[in-house]
Amino acid sequence: SAVISQKPSRDICQRGTSLTIQCQVDSQVTMMFWYRQQPGQSLTLIATANQGSEATYESGFVIDKFPISRPNLTFSTLTVSNMSPEDSSIYLCSVEGTYLGTEAFFGQGTRLTVV
Amino acid sequence: ELKVEQNPLFLSMQEGKNYTIYCNYSTTSDRLYWYRQDPGKSLESLFVLLSNGAVKQEGRLMASLDTKARLSTLHITAAVHDLSATYFCAVVLMEYGNKLVFGAGTILRVKS
Repeated sequence: SAVISQKPSRDICQRGTSLTIQCQVDSQVTMMFWYRQQPGQSLTLIATANQGSEATYESGFVIDKFPISRPNLTFSTLTVSNMSPEDSSIYLCSVEGTYLGTEAFFGQGTRLTVV
Repeated sequence: ELKVEQNPLFLSMQEGKNYTIYCNYSTTSDRLYWYRQDPGKSLESLFVLLSNGAVKQEGRLMASLDTKARLSTLHITAAVHDLSATYFCAVVLMEYGNKLVFGAGTILRVKS
């Protein structure tokens, strides 16, 4: 399976500030995604991180709030901007299209608490 | 809009019993994944189902996919306490860049 390193693993942030989450994969991947898991809920796709172009956002998520970068095939960042307590969630990076074929792997997640 | 309905949402079982978790989805897809999530942890891939009629088994868990009925099942045989976790199905939308749409999850508690 792909080895995905996601940082930080958790953070407590003040409202109004921003946090950037990093996702590093040990091999080149075709697809990288960012998901949010609100407390006690399922996972919802935020956006697809496209290499060399702007991310593709899902309904309800906007670039100003969740800017995403993907400078190469192994790395992406998600920023949660101008945070409020409602942003308290687990944010997960997912990758697909590794040399091992078709399967979606997840990073260990970033547990964000906004106070 | 694709809907993925998972049931039951909560399942309390005695050790040694059998049960099935169902995952229904509302659009065409030939690919479905099952994941396990332990409290405070990320998702662990359990099964990748890639075609109609696919059946995969690992230990006490068996997953199947019926793309015509738009239904996947996760069957638990002779449950043990270590299977306690939340289980998610996720439907792959290949025409939308392989994005995943998740079911709500089934919280499984196996009582010893």
